[in-house]
Amino acid sequence: EVQLVESGGGLVQPGRSLKLSCVASGFTFSNYGMNWIRQAPGKGLEWVAYISSGSSYIYYAETVKGRFTISRDNAKNTLYLQMTSLRSEDTALYYCARLGADNWFAYWGQGTLVTVSS
Amino acid sequence: AIVLNQSPSSIIASQGEKVTITCRASSSISSNYLHWYQQKPGAFPKLVIYSTSYRASGVPSRFSGSGSGTSYSFTISRVEAEDVATYYCQQGSSNPFTFGSGTKLEIK
Repeated sequence: EVQLVESGGGLVQPGRSLKLSCVASGFTFSNYGMNWIRQAPGKGLEWVAYISSGSSYIYYAETVKGRFTISRDNAKNTLYLQMTSLRSEDTALYYCARLGADNWFAYWGQGTLVTVSS
Repeated sequence: AIVLNQSPSSIIASQGEKVTITCRASSSISSNYLHWYQQKPGAFPKLVIYSTSYRASGVPSRFSGSGSGTSYSFTISRVEAEDVATYYCQQGSSNPFTFGSGTKLEIK
């Protein structure tokens, strides 16, 4: 059974940093591209970042480019999102999601909540 | 970035009614790359339809999708109480991957 478990969320002040993790199980992690997707409270879904299976290709949404860094450790079956210079508008539930063949999001974690507030 | 205009933003339907959601893309996309998700209250999104018209594993046959180019649709042939959720379209044709703004389905 595919499982994605996010952690690392919490309350953080504006301008500070936070690092999210997503531990994968039930599939060969190193074979799949992975993503972070977020959802602000009561709002829709926003794709944040993508990393290819071997970390060769990385893409970001314009709203986070230059502030967020996606990475992965295939030996640890873990996806990361380093978030810096956090803003109130980054407040959201952050999901990790496995990419499917034609770039659908086949599997999702339960999410980890990031709240940026003073 | 490809913008997906999803409509309507909300639907109130009776059980057994047919409902259709439309997703219009700002640029033409291959039908392979247009997908639909269901998000029930308090839950993570679940893939329902992939590549325009293919039902994901375990999805009931009352859910269907169609379309091409810039115009796509998602249909529930006979709405059931368990279908209460917000539905999103998503394109994987080009980065950044984008979602529609969502359609909230409620039952009368």
